[in-house]
Amino acid sequence: GDSVTQMEGPVTLSEEAFLTINCTYTATGYPSLFWYVQYPGEGLQLLLKATKADDKGSNKGFEATYRKETTSFHLEKGSVQVSDSAVYFCALTSPAYSGAGSYQLTFGKGTKLSVIP
Amino acid sequence: DVKVTQSSRYLVKRTGEKVFLECVQDMDHENMFWYRQDPGLGLRLIYFSYDVKMKEKGDIPEGYSVSREKKERFSLILESASTNQTSMYLCASSLGQWGTGELFFGEGSRLTVL
Repeated sequence: GDSVTQMEGPVTLSEEAFLTINCTYTATGYPSLFWYVQYPGEGLQLLLKATKADDKGSNKGFEATYRKETTSFHLEKGSVQVSDSAVYFCALTSPAYSGAGSYQLTFGKGTKLSVIP
Repeated sequence: DVKVTQSSRYLVKRTGEKVFLECVQDMDHENMFWYRQDPGLGLRLIYFSYDVKMKEKGDIPEGYSVSREKKERFSLILESASTNQTSMYLCASSLGQWGTGELFFGEGSRLTVL
């Protein structure tokens, strides 16, 4: 079945450091890819998405490029802030899903990021 | 803004009690979901619903049931709570099918079963 693999956390960075959180996937067909973020005490919210190969999603200084050749969707930010401390989830859905499955999202296990001043 | 509201942020229940977790969304979304979130396991789908009175099992439906009598409300029911159901429960909603949509989450309900 489809799956999403994220780098193990937690990740601890100093403020203004460069961030990469790796995400690779296994999927049928051509999935859409998502990054969700969960700030402390809150639910998840969509950070960015890409729906086809070579698309770049971006939001709040974060970027991720859909790389079909390496089946990856790594999250990057050039200069992290303390306010970026959160758990980040990579996720996918596939048009190959049919019926009830077409409503479903496959999530990675999440990567906790802590940014220290 | 879409708002997904979960009725209780924190609950403490005893083993064997019946537990109701309520979720309401205000944007007329067709789809609603219940996930549980556990450290090291990420999010796991319990049940979802793509229409009123419709429900589909997710990955871990055992020990849970759901009810969707109105479009805006999706309830998760633990008929007889057990300690292994201690977890964070997240409700979400979405419009349409996956490739074009996004999930909108509530803030979560942290359930402790003693």
